[in-house]
Amino acid sequence: QQQVKQSPQSLIVQKGGISIINCAYENTAFDYFPWYQQFPGKGPALLIAIRPDVSEKKEGRFTISFNKSAKQFSLHIMDSQPGDSATYFCAARQRTGGFKTIFGAGTRLFVKA
Amino acid sequence: GAVVSQHPSWVICKSGTSVKIECRSLDFQATTMFWYRQFPKQSLMLMATSNEGSKATYEQGVEKDKFLINHASLTLSTLTVTSAHPEDSSFYICSARLGGDTQYFGPGTRLTVL
Repeated sequence: QQQVKQSPQSLIVQKGGISIINCAYENTAFDYFPWYQQFPGKGPALLIAIRPDVSEKKEGRFTISFNKSAKQFSLHIMDSQPGDSATYFCAARQRTGGFKTIFGAGTRLFVKA
Repeated sequence: GAVVSQHPSWVICKSGTSVKIECRSLDFQATTMFWYRQFPKQSLMLMATSNEGSKATYEQGVEKDKFLINHASLTLSTLTVTSAHPEDSSFYICSARLGGDTQYFGPGTRLTVL
């Protein structure tokens, strides 16, 4: 059972464009939603995270939009750069669930120069 | 910032042997560490939750006798893959919880079983 669904599987964006990755979840007990960036052969690194009581959070070029009623959230990467080419994972966590992180399937982003 | 290290970064072993992977929190104490497995071009799948001084909690479908986890101190957790087989070849990643929602992931260990 996939608790966090992520789309698209892959994404190609022109340099300077906006990259958008979407995620949906089922478990309403999730209370923390991080996004991770992973380069090949490396561990994931936290990009930005949001709690369900906030509808949007922005950090630099990265913005999370959160729709609690729809149980959906998305990552927007503004002014995408070739260096942003990586795999992005949305995730969800439940404090009462032992702080385990459940990952989405991942989106492979390629930014064309 | 807080750093989590893993050792070794990559290992090749023969089928039937055991391999130990270390996960260390370098500048903080982690009461909880997590172990993940990631197959090529796939997501991270949680294997187990490791709490210092107690037995690890394994996710459904993960063989606890095959993947032995020891969390002997607040800065070290080890994962031992016993009697490794080629299908155990994967990227193993740990994370350490600093507190609250703050967790840091290690750089991963690439295991190849011949």
